[in-house]
Amino acid sequence: GDSVTQMEGPVTLSEEAFLTINCTYTATGYPSLFWYVQYPGEGLQLLLKATKADDKGSNKGFEATYRKETTSFHLEKGSVQVSDSAVYFCALITGGGNKLTFGTGTQLKVEL
Amino acid sequence: DAGVIQSPRHEVTEMGQEVTLRCKPISGHNSLFWYRQTMMRGLELLIYFNNNVPIDDSGMPEDRFSAKMPNASFSTLKIQPSEPRDSAVYFCASSLKGGLGYEQYFGPGTRLTVT
Repeated sequence: GDSVTQMEGPVTLSEEAFLTINCTYTATGYPSLFWYVQYPGEGLQLLLKATKADDKGSNKGFEATYRKETTSFHLEKGSVQVSDSAVYFCALITGGGNKLTFGTGTQLKVEL
Repeated sequence: DAGVIQSPRHEVTEMGQEVTLRCKPISGHNSLFWYRQTMMRGLELLIYFNNNVPIDDSGMPEDRFSAKMPNASFSTLKIQPSEPRDSAVYFCASSLKGGLGYEQYFGPGTRLTVT
């Protein structure tokens, strides 16, 4: 079945540091890939998405590139802020379905 | 748009009591999802509906859990009887089914505590 593997957290960074959160997937067919973010006490929000190989999703300074050859969708940001502290979830959808398969989430803590 | 609305936001109940969680999806969306989030198990999909019809309830933990969607603008998740291990944050999400790459919109969640 489909699955998503994320790096374990928590990830602790200083403000303005470079962020990478690794995500790899296993899926039948050609999935669409997503990053969701969950701020403390809130529901999940879509951060960015990519629907085909080599697509780059971007939003709020975050980027992720759909790499079919390595089945990866790593999240990156060049300079994190304290306000980026949250839990980040990688997810996918395959075929004509609408059921998201989520990774376990990676907690990011950004300190001054 | 008001987004996905969930009620109550917090629920504290005693073991054995019935609990009903409510969700109003975004108008025009035709898919609705119920999730449970705990520290131990992370985010779990319990059940989802397309056009008010339950499609996959394989994530419902046991018969104590039931979900209904009587119309396109309302859904309930019921736990009867509740147990302490049901304590979690329950999220409802909705989306517009069709093609790949569409987005699920999550509600703020209901934090359930069963004592």
